[in-house]
Amino acid sequence: EPEVTQTPSHQVTQMGQEVILRCVPISNHLYFYWYRQILGQKVEFLVSFYNNEISEKSEIFDDQFSVERPDGSNFTLKIRSTKLEDSAMYFCATDGKKETQYFGPGTRLLVL
Amino acid sequence: DQQVKQNSPSLSVQEGRISILNCDYTNSMFDYFLWYKKYPAEGPTFLISISSIKDKNEDGRFTVFLNKSAKHLSLHIVPSQPGDSAVYFCAASPPGAGGTSYGKLTFGQGTILTVHP
Repeated sequence: EPEVTQTPSHQVTQMGQEVILRCVPISNHLYFYWYRQILGQKVEFLVSFYNNEISEKSEIFDDQFSVERPDGSNFTLKIRSTKLEDSAMYFCATDGKKETQYFGPGTRLLVL
Repeated sequence: DQQVKQNSPSLSVQEGRISILNCDYTNSMFDYFLWYKKYPAEGPTFLISISSIKDKNEDGRFTVFLNKSAKHLSLHIVPSQPGDSAVYFCAASPPGAGGTSYGKLTFGQGTILTVHP
């Protein structure tokens, strides 16, 4: 069964450093998303991406965040200058039709 | 953001019995509703979804019911199995625009289901 993959599974970084989280979507899916879940809180939408551009972004997704699909397969989330409050599980999701959105296993980001 | 609420933090059922997980929402514009199962340190696993134009969708042991007038949906698992023990999230999606999918999901807080052998 096709699945969404994410790397790395864990990332520890110092505050102010840049991190790039990577996702390989299910092939032939066209819509891509990033979500995050801070420990003990809800899963929150960050950004959606379609046709090589951002479709929608939440208020969390400020200028420190960016997304791109650099090579037609990977889908990346970059945090330019990490803050302590960016520590969370980050999930990539993709769908070919919106009623079946599939999530990756997540990247646990810890900012020290 | 309380647009999607799961008011029961936990549910405990006996193996073989029915599990009923509930979810309420406030935004009448939601177009699709999805249920996910999640184990610790893993991503949410898609279970079943329902369109806002339907009131029931069934897939194997999982059935989702939607009551639009009450803005309420529920997931029924019959029969429940110990392997079903996990956190269950409901999520809702608004309609897209211009033929594209803006599947921005709004999640509930989750319900921890424990199925006892």
